[in-house]
Amino acid sequence: QQPVQSPQAVILREGEDAVINCSSSKALYSVHWYRQKHGEAPVFLMILLKGGEQKGHEKISASFNEKKQQSSLYLTASQLSYSGTYFCGTEGNDYKLSFGAGTTVTVRA
Amino acid sequence: EAGVAQSPRYKIIEKRQSVAFWCNPISGHATLYWYQQILGQGPKLLIQFQNNGVVDDSQLPKDRFSAERLKGVDSTLKIQPAKLEDSAVYLCASSLGKLLSYNEQFFGPGTRLTVL
Repeated sequence: QQPVQSPQAVILREGEDAVINCSSSKALYSVHWYRQKHGEAPVFLMILLKGGEQKGHEKISASFNEKKQQSSLYLTASQLSYSGTYFCGTEGNDYKLSFGAGTTVTVRA
Repeated sequence: EAGVAQSPRYKIIEKRQSVAFWCNPISGHATLYWYQQILGQGPKLLIQFQNNGVVDDSQLPKDRFSAERLKGVDSTLKIQPAKLEDSAVYLCASSLGKLLSYNEQFFGPGTRLTVL
């Protein structure tokens, strides 16, 4: 079952902050975040593991609440390059990754 | 390091025709995935390979879709016959290992399929 993301879309000015939420109805082992720019392939942002371990490559932070089966992605001091659609992928006890419908972020100068 | 390669990038066919997509993963990546991404939605896993074996094809419509990864490297995904609802971007991804929790996926540019 795919996770639910909110909001569906957000518009920011450069320097503003935003939070994207990802919620699942099943117990989760890990949460994965990807960003996809229009017409391009999704690009890995980070993996959050049960127990608090985090693996990421960019200066975008996230949290994972295992008990609530939720994750949040924090875009801090947004830059124009942050524009794109953010997808969360959740891994449950079926060891499969299910992606949400995405949150479209538009950062304006 | 070369990324995941896919071809063709675009394909337009009529319903009931056949189509095939090709993917070459990053060298050394044992795990290969095919996803279908319908406009406005997140990627949906169709099939996962570990080397040349199928790990999961539970969401692959097997009456019309088939995929293979014969030598454990590149892979082809085929649709025969195509339906209007198959219009989507088909993404190939690869990862070093199969444990999702510890392996990021690298996506190719995708093939945009339009079925008329």
